[in-house]
Amino acid sequence: AQTVTQSQPEMSVQEAETVTLSCTYDTSESDYYLFWYKQPPSRQMILVIRQEAYKQQNATENRFSVNFQKAAKSFSLKISDSQLGDAAMYFCAYLTGTASKLTFGTGTRLQVTL
Amino acid sequence: NAGVTQTPKFRILKIGQSMTLQCTQDMNHNYMYWYRQDPGMGLKLIYYSVGAGITDKGEVPNGYNVSRSTTEDFPLRLELAAPSQTSVYFCASSGLAVSYEQYFGPGTRLTVT
Repeated sequence: AQTVTQSQPEMSVQEAETVTLSCTYDTSESDYYLFWYKQPPSRQMILVIRQEAYKQQNATENRFSVNFQKAAKSFSLKISDSQLGDAAMYFCAYLTGTASKLTFGTGTRLQVTL
Repeated sequence: NAGVTQTPKFRILKIGQSMTLQCTQDMNHNYMYWYRQDPGMGLKLIYYSVGAGITDKGEVPNGYNVSRSTTEDFPLRLELAAPSQTSVYFCASSGLAVSYEQYFGPGTRLTVT
């Protein structure tokens, strides 16, 4: 079974600065997807970014980018130019092709300070 | 386009009561899922469905039942509610697309006392 580990329960960043959230996973599969989801206080799960394991190029979405290290099974999220609206819980998730099921990490709570 | 809708948003149950959490999606997605999120934790898969008439257990299925009679609806049934089922429940759906993105409903906060 796949496992996803987020070792940082909480992180803090100043507005306009850069922060990196860590995620590692364990799998024996070679083809899979990885995701970062954002959960603000509203509880809504919002997709931030996705990465296909077969792609070597790191995914980027505006201020959000990932550092995907397949051999190390590491998938970190970098948020540049942090904004107050980035404050939320961030979940790393692994998707297996069998019925496209997601396995989530325990989350990292990100605080953004002035 | 409403996406994934869930009802109710909040519910308080007494121990031993039963209830059904409703989930509907209007995106014609084949795959649907139920997750629970305990305080300070990630989401855990309860049940999933790959199409009408087909359901299967996820990681934490005990105490729950599901059915999938139509593509749009995927209700979750709680029988004999227990305090351990106090949680936030999310329904999600996914199409057979390359991105495999799951679209989540707004969640139902359930308290069992």
